Amino acid sequence: KAGVTQTPRYLIKTRGQQVTLSCSPISGHRSVSWYQQTPGQGLQFLFEYFSETQRNKGNFPGRFSGRQFSNSRSEMNVSTLELGDSALYLCASSWGHSNTEAFFGQGTRLTVV
Amino acid sequence: KQEVTQIPAALSVPEGENLVLNCSFTDSAIYNLQWFRQDPGKGLTSLLLIQSSQREQTSGRLNASLDKSSGRSTLYIAASQPGDSATYLCAVSINTGTASKLTFGTGTRLQVTL
Repeated sequence: KAGVTQTPRYLIKTRGQQVTLSCSPISGHRSVSWYQQTPGQGLQFLFEYFSETQRNKGNFPGRFSGRQFSNSRSEMNVSTLELGDSALYLCASSWGHSNTEAFFGQGTRLTVV
Repeated sequence: KQEVTQIPAALSVPEGENLVLNCSFTDSAIYNLQWFRQDPGKGLTSLLLIQSSQREQTSGRLNASLDKSSGRSTLYIAASQPGDSATYLCAVSINTGTASKLTFGTGTRLQVTL
């Protein structure tokens, strides 16, 4: 059974550019959540998608957005990149109920220069 | 607002020692608590999931307990090995209806020495 797949694994972007990250969940899982991990702030929740609808959103600026497709694959977009956006971005896959186990991908390491 | 704290922040033990990692949370209205392991620069590996109605879960050398009323969980690692060296994170799934959202602790960095 394939795990959660995130692409690309590494990205280097310039300030002001935009970036799109992709996450393919475990087959059958309908919920995809995104998290940002930095040394200073730890792991912070960005948003969650379930059946193509955003169900929950963290406290991040509008430059961070996402979407989910009918096959449950999700993309996250960050526009007008800032140096502070450099982080490990992780996505989690689950069945979608609050009491179910979350499985994480290997993450995308974004560096903004 | 749910806050999750992990103590200690770092721990170094010799191989073979039994150890306990601690996790505390401020709001007891949780659905479940999950323990993860993270190797440097990698994603999170789920170790154990404890539902709010459960008191403990076991997997191999790992045992996790949950005391919702006091807002605490512990992860017990028996007979530690160098391969156990990693950062251990606990996370609680908070009561947001049907939505899934995890609030993470800051982690405990474990080093097991030969």
